Amino acid sequence: KAGVTQTPRYLIKTRGQQVTLSCSPISGHRSVSWYQQTPGQGLQFLFEYFSETQRNKGNFPGRFSGRQFSNSRSEMNVSTLELGDSALYLCASSSTGSENIQYFGAGTRLSVL
Amino acid sequence: AQSVTQLGSHVSVSEGALVLLRCNYSSSVPPYLFWYVQYPNQGLQLLLKYTSAATLVKGINGFEAEFKKSETSFHLTKPSAHMSDAAEYFCAVSPIKAAGNKLTFGGGTRVLVKP
Repeated sequence: KAGVTQTPRYLIKTRGQQVTLSCSPISGHRSVSWYQQTPGQGLQFLFEYFSETQRNKGNFPGRFSGRQFSNSRSEMNVSTLELGDSALYLCASSSTGSENIQYFGAGTRLSVL
Repeated sequence: AQSVTQLGSHVSVSEGALVLLRCNYSSSVPPYLFWYVQYPNQGLQLLLKYTSAATLVKGINGFEAEFKKSETSFHLTKPSAHMSDAAEYFCAVSPIKAAGNKLTFGGGTRVLVKP
């Protein structure tokens, strides 16, 4: 089985721009979660999607949004980028009844200049 | 709200020595507990999980962890460190009776293995 795939692996943007990150979960997994990893704040939960609906949300501003498609693929969008948005963004997928075990992708490293 | 504390942001061990990484959680009821490892420029790989079955959990790469409810701890150990164990390790918790998946992570412990 293929693992969680995130694209692109690296992105460079400038302040004020917007960006879209993509995540393809493990086949059969319907839950996709997003996390932000920074040296200062560590790993923080952004949001989770299940069956195309946002099921959980972390404490991030509205500039961070996401969606999930019928094939469980998910996208995350950040609008009006700020320097502090530079981070590794990790996507994780989980199957129903899996005791909350999440499997992570390699991440997208976003640099905001 | 749940929280996770990992004691020591950096740990240095000699090859062949015991690896001990500490994790304490704060939760009104025992949660699901996980240890993940992250190698440079990679995502997180699940090492092991506690899901209310056996309190001593064995994981991959020779790692194991013991859940101690009285101490609200879930420390990770490996009897003999290998150079390939150099990485960052994260302890995480997730509530058992909650809709959805949300992991709360500790701050991470970076392990350096000396030859």
